[in-house]
Amino acid sequence: ETGVTQSPTHLIKTRGQQVTLRCSSQSGHNTVSWYQQALGQGPQFIFQYYREEENGRGNFPPRFSGLQFPNYSSELNVNALELDDSALYLCASSRETSGPYEQYFGPGTRLTVT
Amino acid sequence: AQTVTQSQPEMSVQEAETVTLSCTYDTSESDYYLFWYKQPPSRQMILVIRQEAYKQQNATENRFSVNFQKAAKSFSLKISDSQLGDAAMYFCAYRSRTGANSKLTFGKGITLSVRP
Repeated sequence: ETGVTQSPTHLIKTRGQQVTLRCSSQSGHNTVSWYQQALGQGPQFIFQYYREEENGRGNFPPRFSGLQFPNYSSELNVNALELDDSALYLCASSRETSGPYEQYFGPGTRLTVT
Repeated sequence: AQTVTQSQPEMSVQEAETVTLSCTYDTSESDYYLFWYKQPPSRQMILVIRQEAYKQQNATENRFSVNFQKAAKSFSLKISDSQLGDAAMYFCAYRSRTGANSKLTFGKGITLSVRP
């Protein structure tokens, strides 16, 4: 069984640019959540996708957007990058959006905005 | 809104000894899950242990156990017989059991070092 994978591993962008991060969920999982983890902090919930629909959003501006595809993989898009967007972006997948299902995390994408 | 507080930024333990990591949380809900996650330097977050709030019995997983005090909103993690591989950042997290989604609310984390 393949775990959660994310690409790319590292990324350097310039302020004002746009970026797309990708996540492949674990086999059999239909729910993907995205988190932003600033250096030395705990992850902050960005949003969740369940069966291709957004299913909850944290306190992030609209320039953070996402997609989930029919195979349940997901993308996180960030427009108009700001220096404060520099962080580790984690995705996590689970079997369902409710119930006692564990969320499995990917290794993350380290985004640096200069 | 729920909040999770981990007030100790760092802790250190001697190999083979026992260490307890503290966590408090705030919620108005009565039905929820609490978790401890481990994030080693390689970054991949893994689940250590889970507690369901309606269960009075404290969860245990091999060398890991929790002390769940619902009234005090306290959820500490005890690691027995500490090993070098336990060195990592540990996060306490909360998840509503009745919410529309399964978002996790994390604390700031605690860095655990293990001395050989």
